[in-house]
Amino acid sequence: SQQGEEDPQALSIQEGENATMNCSYKTSINNLQWYRQNSGRGLVHLILIRSNEREKHSGRLRVTLDTSKKSSSLLITASRAADTASYFCATDFQETSGSRLTFGEGTQLTVNP
Amino acid sequence: GAGVSQTPSNKVTEKGKYVELRCDPISGHTALYWYRQSLGQGPEFLIYFQGTGAADDSGLPNDRFFAVRPEGSVSTLKIQRTERGDSAVYLCASSLTPGAFNEQFFGPGTRLTVL
Repeated sequence: SQQGEEDPQALSIQEGENATMNCSYKTSINNLQWYRQNSGRGLVHLILIRSNEREKHSGRLRVTLDTSKKSSSLLITASRAADTASYFCATDFQETSGSRLTFGEGTQLTVNP
Repeated sequence: GAGVSQTPSNKVTEKGKYVELRCDPISGHTALYWYRQSLGQGPEFLIYFQGTGAADDSGLPNDRFFAVRPEGSVSTLKIQRTERGDSAVYLCASSLTPGAFNEQFFGPGTRLTVL
């Protein structure tokens, strides 16, 4: 399947530590986006990285993209209890460009105070 | 409004009934998307509108599902003869234009429970 796959499925860390989540996919993409979701409801957009970009930063977030390995990572530095949520990568595949995002099953991050 | 809104926030219905779920996208966004998310899984694509027309409905699971966007703004997802397996959170998203470099903004979702 083309679906992005995140790992780990669950991650538990202490406040102040860094959290790294990974995403892999199988076919060529236009872009890859990371979303956050609290309590199984609305998704909040975090970062969009284009296929010709290798790294992007936004505040405490750092996203990398390696198109040769078809993988991306999301790093949250100096984590806080409020970062506890599910994190999803979503890919815009070239063959369905603009028509849909394909989501992985997510990583459940728990940040313990 | 400032963001994507969806109504109702929760809908409980009985097996076999008909339901309508509404999405009001961000003003000026021409592209509108519907996704469905089951417990513990990521959202799955259902249908995409560019303006008033459904440009890609390949994610609709069967002919009980239908969506419209008659004026190119608000969209309604319609489910006929609901089944227990239809229970999920239905998410709507919009983007300024379709295309490879536009992020999708999501609404809070409608949680549908079919008893």
